[in-house]
Amino acid sequence: AQSVAQPEDQVNVAEGNPLTVKCTYSVSGNPYLFWYVQYPNRGLQFLLKYITGDNLVKGSYGFEAEFNKSQTSFHLKKPSALVSDSALYFCAVRASDTGRRALTFGSGTRLQVQP
Amino acid sequence: NAGVTQTPKFQVLKTGQSMTLQCAQDMNHNSMYWYRQDPGMGLRLIYYSASEGTTDKGEVPNGYNVSRLNKREFSLRLESAAPSQTSVYFCASSQGGTSPLHFGNGTRLTVT
Repeated sequence: AQSVAQPEDQVNVAEGNPLTVKCTYSVSGNPYLFWYVQYPNRGLQFLLKYITGDNLVKGSYGFEAEFNKSQTSFHLKKPSALVSDSALYFCAVRASDTGRRALTFGSGTRLQVQP
Repeated sequence: NAGVTQTPKFQVLKTGQSMTLQCAQDMNHNSMYWYRQDPGMGLRLIYYSASEGTTDKGEVPNGYNVSRLNKREFSLRLESAAPSQTSVYFCASSQGGTSPLHFGNGTRLTVT
């Protein structure tokens, strides 16, 4: 079975400060990892993914994420938060070596950036 | 460039009524998915279709049926709605493999 944990329901950060949204995962074998963002009354939008290679991946809107195999984590980061980054963020995983092609999502973390 | 289109946007049903949620994508994607989103639970997979002509159950398939009508369209049917099916339903598509999912804007369903 595959699973994702997002331990924080909400993260609050001041505009201009760095932000981190945490994600840990559990899969059999190697993971494919994804971050998505959801704005109110919209579907999820893809931010970035880790498939293989460099542990630091860069994505849309200045976001990046670091894959840590030993800690089974894939934390989302941004050096300087914007008020417009306020949204719901989802981490997702699937195993690379199974035929199951559907992602398993975490419960989501609400990011609130204060002016 | 429409992407993934879901209809309707909102629906209210009485317990026991049936309805079909429609989804269409114009990106020529092979794979399509139905998820439901409930507060504090993230997105849970109901059914998916890895390619035209195939469908598979996800985590929470009970009470639902799906039809992959053609490559573009993937519908979700509730035969006898229950209050536990009150949720926001999202359709998504992808090219498969490691390609990301593209989501529609959702259908907000309330069952009374």
